[in-house]
Amino acid sequence: ETGVTQSPTHLIKTRGQQVTLRCSSQSGHNTVSWYQQALGQGPQFIFQYYREEENGRGNFPPRFSGLQFPNYSSELNVNALELDDSALYLCASSKEGGVDNEQFFGPGTRLTVL
Amino acid sequence: DQQVKQNSPSLSVQEGRISILNCDYTNSMFDYFLWYKKYPAEGPTFLISISSIKDKNEDGRFTVFLNKSAKHLSLHIVPSQPGDSAVHFCAAPNSGAGSYQLTFGKGTKLSVIP
Repeated sequence: ETGVTQSPTHLIKTRGQQVTLRCSSQSGHNTVSWYQQALGQGPQFIFQYYREEENGRGNFPPRFSGLQFPNYSSELNVNALELDDSALYLCASSKEGGVDNEQFFGPGTRLTVL
Repeated sequence: DQQVKQNSPSLSVQEGRISILNCDYTNSMFDYFLWYKKYPAEGPTFLISISSIKDKNEDGRFTVFLNKSAKHLSLHIVPSQPGDSAVHFCAAPNSGAGSYQLTFGKGTKLSVIP
């Protein structure tokens, strides 16, 4: 059973640029959630995708957007990057969108915005 | 507005002794709590959870206690092992709008000294 994978591992961008981060969910999982973990903070929920539809969003501006594909992998896109977007971006997958299902996290993508 | 609070950024414990990690919450709608641990360069991994209908849940070396009236929970690890050295996060799901969003505390870095 393959776990959650994310790419790239590290990324450096400059302010104003756009970035796409990728996540492959664990086999058998149809729900993907994205979290942002800033330095010294806990992960913060960005949004969740369930069966290719956005299924809940945290307190993040519209320049954070996402996609989920028929194979349940997912992308996180961030436009007009700001310095404060520098963080670890974590993807988590689960079997269904509901509360009783454990989320399995990937290792994250470390984004640095200069 | 932090709904899940971990007020101790770090904790050092001798190998073999008990580690006690604390967590407070403000949202009385939370009815389920989880503990995750995170090693550097890895995603958070699930440790143990507790439902609000219980006041204790035990799994091997890990026990979580919940005090609903005080809105407080604690994770006890006994005996502590060097492999427990990691950042430990307390989290609660907020199933708003049908999605499953985890709200995390800032984490406590546990160091187990051999």
